[in-house]
Amino acid sequence: NAGVTQTPKFQVLKTGQSMTLQCAQDMNHNSMYWYRQDPGMGLRLIYYSASEGTTDKGEVPNGYNVSRLNKREFSLRLESAAPSQTSVYFCASTLAANEQFFGPGTRLTVL
Amino acid sequence: GENVEQHPSTLSVQEGDSAVIKCTYSDSASNYFPWYKQELGKRPQLIIDIRSNVGEKKDQRIAVTLNKTAKHFSLHITETQPEDSAVYFCAASRTSYDKVIFGPGTSLSVIP
Repeated sequence: NAGVTQTPKFQVLKTGQSMTLQCAQDMNHNSMYWYRQDPGMGLRLIYYSASEGTTDKGEVPNGYNVSRLNKREFSLRLESAAPSQTSVYFCASTLAANEQFFGPGTRLTVL
Repeated sequence: GENVEQHPSTLSVQEGDSAVIKCTYSDSASNYFPWYKQELGKRPQLIIDIRSNVGEKKDQRIAVTLNKTAKHFSLHITETQPEDSAVYFCAASRTSYDKVIFGPGTSLSVIP
């Protein structure tokens, strides 16, 4: 099993450009999450999907949209990137009542 | 919504000493409290978790305690080793299906 995979690993954008971060899991997990990690700020929840077909806002949803494409895939879209969105983005998934499994992360720089 | 605070933000200990990290949470309905370890450049990984019906849980050198009345929980690492050096995050959620809110992290350095 690959676990949780994310693409791309690195990305540089110019202000105003758009992009989609992809996340997939092969563990048959119900819930999936997107976090951003900034120095000294910990992991802040952007959006989550408790089950296929549902999505909910987290702590810092502004400037982002998500799509739970199917049970395996949960994508994060930046419609108009801003320098404040420079961060490391982690996707995570969980089955039931237990740990979250994290992907390797995407390092995004917005110039 | 839930707010999780964590102290200290940095912690240095001598190898073999104990390390304690403390967290507080705001939502009295939270009942699941995991701890994650993140080594430099890697993804966070669960090291231990505790639920509201348990006051303490141990796993070898790691233990977690929970005080629901005071809304705080702590991570205890005994006999620290250099490989324990990492950033540790506490978190809280109402259920493990619900959103999980993380604390800001503690950078632990174990000095050989």
